[in-house]
Amino acid sequence: QVQLVQSGAEVKKPGASVKVSCKASGFTLTDYYMHWVRQAPGQGLEWMGWINPNTGVTNYAQKFQGRVTMTRDTSIYTVYMELSSLGSDDTAVYYCAREKPGDGLGVWGQGTTVTVSS
Amino acid sequence: DIQMTQSPSSLSASVGDRVTVTCRASQGISNYLAWYQQKPGKVPKLLIYAASTLQSGVPSRFSGSGSGTDFTLTISSLQPEDVATYYCQKYNGAPYTFGQGTKLEIK
Repeated sequence: QVQLVQSGAEVKKPGASVKVSCKASGFTLTDYYMHWVRQAPGQGLEWMGWINPNTGVTNYAQKFQGRVTMTRDTSIYTVYMELSSLGSDDTAVYYCAREKPGDGLGVWGQGTTVTVSS
Repeated sequence: DIQMTQSPSSLSASVGDRVTVTCRASQGISNYLAWYQQKPGKVPKLLIYAASTLQSGVPSRFSGSGSGTDFTLTISSLQPEDVATYYCQKYNGAPYTFGQGTKLEIK
C-alpha cells in the first residue's frame, strides 16, 4: 500500500544538525513532489519546503533558507530533510508528505519527533 | 507572501449541528486551497483539495467552497468523531502557507 515511513525520534543539542529520512513505498517517488511540514508542541502546521525527487529541484520557505537542505536518493525511494544550527524552537514533529500536483498533500509520513535540548 | 487567516480559532458545537470554518487569503489564490483534519495526537489528513473536491474516502458531510480569497469548510451534521483541528493551506505556489487552525469541540 501507499505509505511514507520516516526515521525515528532524535534528540540533539543546540547548534547541532539533524537529518530525517522518509522512505516511500507503493508508488513511484519521482511522480510526486515531496514536502516537509513541522509542528511544534501545541502549535499549528508550518510548511518548510518541497523537493522534486525527479530533478532534485527544491523550494524552501524563506524562514529556513540557509539552514535546511532537502535531498533524495531515488535508488532507495527516500527523501531527506536536514536542518542545521538547531535551537530549542526547532523542537517539533517533522512530517514528510506527498503532493500530487494540484491535489494537496494526500499522503503523510508518521512524523519524526526532534527534541533540541542541552 | 500570502497570508492565510482562519476563523474562528476555536468552535464548540453540538452533535448534528451544521458547522462552518472560514479561511481567507490575503491575495487571490484561485482554487488552490486544501483543507486538513488533524485529530489529537494524529497525523494530518487531507479532506478537500482544489477548494471543493472531496478526497477519496472522506465522508460526504464534509464540503468545501470558495475561490479567490474566501473559502469555507462545512460539516453538514457534526459527529463526535469530527473533534479535531482543521487547517487550510494554499498551494498556488511557494510558500504553501497553512492557516493557524480551527479547533473544533463538541458542546
